[in-house]
Amino acid sequence: KQEVTQIPAALSVPEGENLVLNCSFTDSAIYNLQWFRQDPGKGLTSLLLIQSSQREQTSGRLNASLDKSSGRSTLYIAASQPGDSATYLCAARGTGNQFYFGTGTSLTVIP
Amino acid sequence: GAGVSQTPSNKVTEKGKYVELRCDPISGHTALYWYRQSLGQGPEFLIYFQGTGAADDSGLPNDRFFAVRPEGSVSTLKIQRTERGDSAVYLCASRRLANTGELFFGEGSRLTVL
Repeated sequence: KQEVTQIPAALSVPEGENLVLNCSFTDSAIYNLQWFRQDPGKGLTSLLLIQSSQREQTSGRLNASLDKSSGRSTLYIAASQPGDSATYLCAARGTGNQFYFGTGTSLTVIP
Repeated sequence: GAGVSQTPSNKVTEKGKYVELRCDPISGHTALYWYRQSLGQGPEFLIYFQGTGAADDSGLPNDRFFAVRPEGSVSTLKIQRTERGDSAVYLCASRRLANTGELFFGEGSRLTVL
């Protein structure tokens, strides 16, 4: 069974700093990997989807990379803002139809 | 609709009662998922529908949990004889059936069993 791990569990940074969130998965046979944002008491908002054939995806200040061979993905956030404070989750979709989630990284950006 | 819609947003019930949670997916999304999320945890898979049929129900914790999607659109998650341990946020998600399909979530239904 696919195991997804996110490190660190929590991160606090000053506004304006660039940061990297990590996601690792045990089974490299994935269709894609998706990053989400979750605000307290809310559902998950999709940020970026990387297909297994891709190395990275970019959306605004966000850049996600994927290295299937090492079982790792990173989410890079440039010039962080207080509004970026949320929990960030990654999900790996295996060759079945299940998406396996990590437990998330709780990010706080201090003004 | 524009997004995945879930009702009710909050449900408080007593132990032993029956509960139904509803999910209306994005129009045209054939694949539908139910997940359960406890505080501080990532979403835990419950069941996956491809059209009207449950293609994978391996995540349902026991036979008190059941889900249907009779017309291939709206889905209902049904929980019988609720227990306090069932308290969680129940999330619904949908995507296009293509392997490249991006997963979109609703706001969730928060279930509290007293």
